Amino acid sequence: GAVVSQHPSWVICKSGTSVKIECRSLDFQATTMFWYRQFPKQSLMLMATSNEGSKATYEQGVEKDKFLINHASLTLSTLTVTSAHPEDSSFYICSARVRGPYEQYFGPGTRLTVT
Amino acid sequence: GEDVEQSLFLSVREGDSSVINCTYTDSSSTYLYWYKQEPGAGLQLLTYIFSNMDMKQDQRLTVLLNKKDKHLSLRIADTQTGDSAIYFCAEVDGNTGKLIFGQGTTLQVKP
Repeated sequence: GAVVSQHPSWVICKSGTSVKIECRSLDFQATTMFWYRQFPKQSLMLMATSNEGSKATYEQGVEKDKFLINHASLTLSTLTVTSAHPEDSSFYICSARVRGPYEQYFGPGTRLTVT
Repeated sequence: GEDVEQSLFLSVREGDSSVINCTYTDSSSTYLYWYKQEPGAGLQLLTYIFSNMDMKQDQRLTVLLNKKDKHLSLRIADTQTGDSAIYFCAEVDGNTGKLIFGQGTTLQVKP
């Protein structure tokens, strides 16, 4: 089946620093990737939709200057949390959509802790 | 906006059947999905059903779709302790193509 990887799986950083999270589709090309945020015991919150070669589309309330998304190739999208603060601590999950029946395959997630 | 609702918790004994229910609002959804999330992990696509189907079976999993009532269910036969996880129902927003998730149902399987 389709495999999506994320790197790193967890990261701890100091307040004010920036963190980059990578999302890769390993065995298929994904024209569209999504970034989600999940708080403990809650559902996923869509942050942005990323299409290869174009600017990401952010959901309402998500700061595009804080959460920078780059989708440079059909297999790689990156999320950079700039000037991270403790309230940015969360579980970030990416997904990649294959062509056809809107199947989305999810990465294993990245646990970000900002101290 | 579009909405997907699930019950939050289900507890069953090992070997029993589990039924997780979901209701959705977008009648134009073409596909509906069930995802499984184990602790600290991403989401695993379990199965999906096309909106013109009433039922889909895949090994221990049976999905039932009642399009009239906008009700979706996932039945897990012979539930095992390894099935303990959070199960998310999701529909595709007919306008945007985005997934709309329910709150997730925590399935607890007791030995």
